[in-house]
Amino acid sequence: DIQMTQSPSTLSASVGDRVTITCRASQSIDIWLAWYQQKPGKTPKLLIYKASTLQTGVPSRFSGTGSGTEFTLTISSLQPDDFATYYCQQYDDYWTFGQGTKVEIK
Amino acid sequence: EVQLVQSGAEVKKPGESLKISCKGSGYDFTKYWIAWVRQMPGKGLEWMGIIYPSDSDTKYSPSFQGQVTISADKSITTAYLQWRSLKASDTAIYYCARPSDGFDYWGQGTLVTVSS
Repeated sequence: DIQMTQSPSTLSASVGDRVTITCRASQSIDIWLAWYQQKPGKTPKLLIYKASTLQTGVPSRFSGTGSGTEFTLTISSLQPDDFATYYCQQYDDYWTFGQGTKVEIK
Repeated sequence: EVQLVQSGAEVKKPGESLKISCKGSGYDFTKYWIAWVRQMPGKGLEWMGIIYPSDSDTKYSPSFQGQVTISADKSITTAYLQWRSLKASDTAIYYCARPSDGFDYWGQGTLVTVSS
């Protein structure tokens, strides 16, 4: 099984901050990585797929980079609507989610 | 418009059986896999398994193999997740989702509460 490890688990930030979340795969997954945003009581929302492709309708302040085993999600200027939990997911070999990163207000 | 609409919340006792559903619409249901995802209270997302409604080809995460059964009825564009004997630890929200590049569409989730 491919394991996905996100860091940090929790991140405290202010509106306007640049925020970066890291996701590491236990083996190479090429670019088969997605990022999701989930707010409390809501369904997860796909933000990015193929490591760096923005899903339709997702603001351009979100970006993804990486390939192989190391990936990052960056929010260039954190907005009030962005406080949420973010998950990475590999889909090279079935699917595995990372444990999540909660972005909270500093 | 693509939609996945799940059945409503359930409250069950340990040992009872349960089958929850996920109805797809707005796309060719037979051409996309349907996945099931568990989210335990306050925890992260776990992929459980998938089914291809066209031929009912099914694959399970090792963590859920033998614990649940996934099925589908393509004639009514509905996928199912079933338990024979629920445990308190099955208490969670269960989502269906459509795998494409990532999971691009999700159901609204079904809360299953198992308590004596």
